Amino acid sequence: GAVVSQHPSWVICKSGTSVKIECRSLDFQATTMFWYRQFPKQSLMLMATSNEGSKATYEQGVEKDKFLINHASLTLSTLTVTSAHPEDSSFYICSARWGQLETQYFGPGTRLLVL
Amino acid sequence: QKEVEQNSGPLSVPEGAIASLNCTYSDRGSQSFFWYRQYSGKSPELIMFIYSNGDKEDGRFTAQLNKASQYVSLLIRDSQPSDSATYLCAVTMSGGGADGLTFGKGTHLIIQP
Repeated sequence: GAVVSQHPSWVICKSGTSVKIECRSLDFQATTMFWYRQFPKQSLMLMATSNEGSKATYEQGVEKDKFLINHASLTLSTLTVTSAHPEDSSFYICSARWGQLETQYFGPGTRLLVL
Repeated sequence: QKEVEQNSGPLSVPEGAIASLNCTYSDRGSQSFFWYRQYSGKSPELIMFIYSNGDKEDGRFTAQLNKASQYVSLLIRDSQPSDSATYLCAVTMSGGGADGLTFGKGTHLIIQP
């Protein structure tokens, strides 16, 4: 099966600091990974598409300078929230494409709380 | 703007009955349709995907797609308490998972023992 991991699962930080979240495909190579964000009682919103070896594609309204995405290998994509503020507190979830039909499988998510 | 609409519920169904979840989407160009299950505090788990009009069955789950009506549904037979969760409908413009998913807000399903 397709296993996607994320690290850390929880992070609490002070306002103004930067936080890095890792997304790994454990048993397959993923040329494309996606980053989503989910606020309480809301649905998942796509933030960006991460392609291995190239720049990420950001959705409208998502600040690329604030949410830095790096997809340096076929099994790892990272999301860095720079100068985090309390409004960035959310559930960040990555997904990776897998299989012949290339469906998306999600990581367990990272809860970010900015104080 | 792509939109995916779901009744937020809660939808309450007795154990053993059929749960019917519905979803409509606005973009006629949508190609792929997915149902995910999300337990509280967890990330989504893929239940089923469907690309062609008609029905697709997998165990207790049946997905139904009607592109002319821009409607997709999920039936859960022999509902179990463990099926209680939020069910998210998602669509994408491309085949498979080539593009990011557009999600509905989800339907909260409660299976009553």
